[in-house]
Amino acid sequence: NAGVTQTPKFQVLKTGQSMTLQCAQDMNHEYMSWYRQDPGMGLRLIHYSVGAGITDQGEVPNGYNVSRSTTEDFPLRLLSAAPSQTSVYFCASSYSNWYQPQHFGDGTRLSIL
Amino acid sequence: AQSVSQHNHHVILSEAASLELGCNYSYGGTVNLFWYVQYPGQHLQLLLKYFSGDPLVKGIKGFEAEFIKSKFSFNLRKPSVQWSDTAEYFCAAPGAGSYQLTFGKGTKLSVIP
Repeated sequence: NAGVTQTPKFQVLKTGQSMTLQCAQDMNHEYMSWYRQDPGMGLRLIHYSVGAGITDQGEVPNGYNVSRSTTEDFPLRLLSAAPSQTSVYFCASSYSNWYQPQHFGDGTRLSIL
Repeated sequence: AQSVSQHNHHVILSEAASLELGCNYSYGGTVNLFWYVQYPGQHLQLLLKYFSGDPLVKGIKGFEAEFIKSKFSFNLRKPSVQWSDTAEYFCAAPGAGSYQLTFGKGTKLSVIP
């Protein structure tokens, strides 16, 4: 089925480890974004992309890197994991603009010990 | 800056009851407003949006929302809720000078059969 695919669904890391959360979409959407969702809070934008090779920072970019080498993929890298990055991460795509996410992935639940 | 307030943290209703979830935003220049829904164990979905025109917006699954500029509000309504409406609902609005969405903290709706 067409949509946004995120891997892994769950991950436990130790403080200081690095990892990459994968996100792929097969709808040929130009716009993709990464959000984190913390208990009692709404989603917060980490990074977004308006097309291959073009990315920009959102509200909470510190500690995260992104790249967009293809239209389909938009990985999120944690450089040196910290307990404050324990969260649920959602990737989203849109055909119309970067700020109105239309299709979300199922999320990655990340715990940093 | 923008802040989005959802005053009800958890709402519990019986099936067939009417629903109104409050959403207030702070930045008066906002004209783009969104409601997203997250069903248990699923990702967020766009429920409805307002960009311009008729302030009463109809979305999917019988939901509607009314944009009242003078009250800085965009309340979500449904005349008769069903058990399947059990979910968390998020209101979102862009900020001053930015398209980036600020999400409210969410309102959890539990519908009792």
